[in-house]
Amino acid sequence: GQNIDQPTEMTATEGAIVQINCTYQTSGFNGLFWYQQHAGEAPTFLSYNVLDGLEEKGRFSSFLSRSKGYSYLLLKELQMKDSASYLCAVLEADYKLSFGAGTTVTVRA
Amino acid sequence: IAGITQAPTSQILAAGRRMTLRCTQDMRHNAMYWYRQDLGLGLRLIHYSNTAGTTGKGEVPDGYSVSRANTDDFPLTLASAVPSQTSVYFCASSDSTDSYNEQFFGPGTRLTVL
Repeated sequence: GQNIDQPTEMTATEGAIVQINCTYQTSGFNGLFWYQQHAGEAPTFLSYNVLDGLEEKGRFSSFLSRSKGYSYLLLKELQMKDSASYLCAVLEADYKLSFGAGTTVTVRA
Repeated sequence: IAGITQAPTSQILAAGRRMTLRCTQDMRHNAMYWYRQDLGLGLRLIHYSNTAGTTGKGEVPDGYSVSRANTDDFPLTLASAVPSQTSVYFCASSDSTDSYNEQFFGPGTRLTVL
């Protein structure tokens, strides 16, 4: 299995930037996903990284360093609707996903 | 409407009862998964199926069984429910022939076992 660590909670102000870190330990790796999950809803796909570097998609960016077992999700120009849980998930060698416990982001006006 | 559906939306169940959670997808995905989500623990894989006719055990399979008779349906059965199975259950599917195997999640079933 995997050890996947991410902070439990983060709070930020509307319009600000928040960075959610994720560290993982694995013996096999086929990529890293970030999912967004609003309270009471299903997780929805945000990003996927398999190569080192930064992937930018609008206000959201995701970074991966395979050698360090590290990823982050960067949320820019925060909006109230970004209040949600953000799940880091590693695609294992057998192509199953292992999830971190999630980071709850609260955006305040 | 393309996607993945689950039924029921929520259920309260007496301990010892049998319960089947239903999951159907119309995206012709070959792979399907069942997860449970508990506060502070994140999503944990219960069972999975890489293709119709095959199933496998995930991280927390005890007390659960699955079947995959066809591509679209992947029911999860609790043979004799216990209170520790109180959780939110998510079904997901993916096309594992895709390079990154993105999983799509159903809306979830909230199960309470008393």
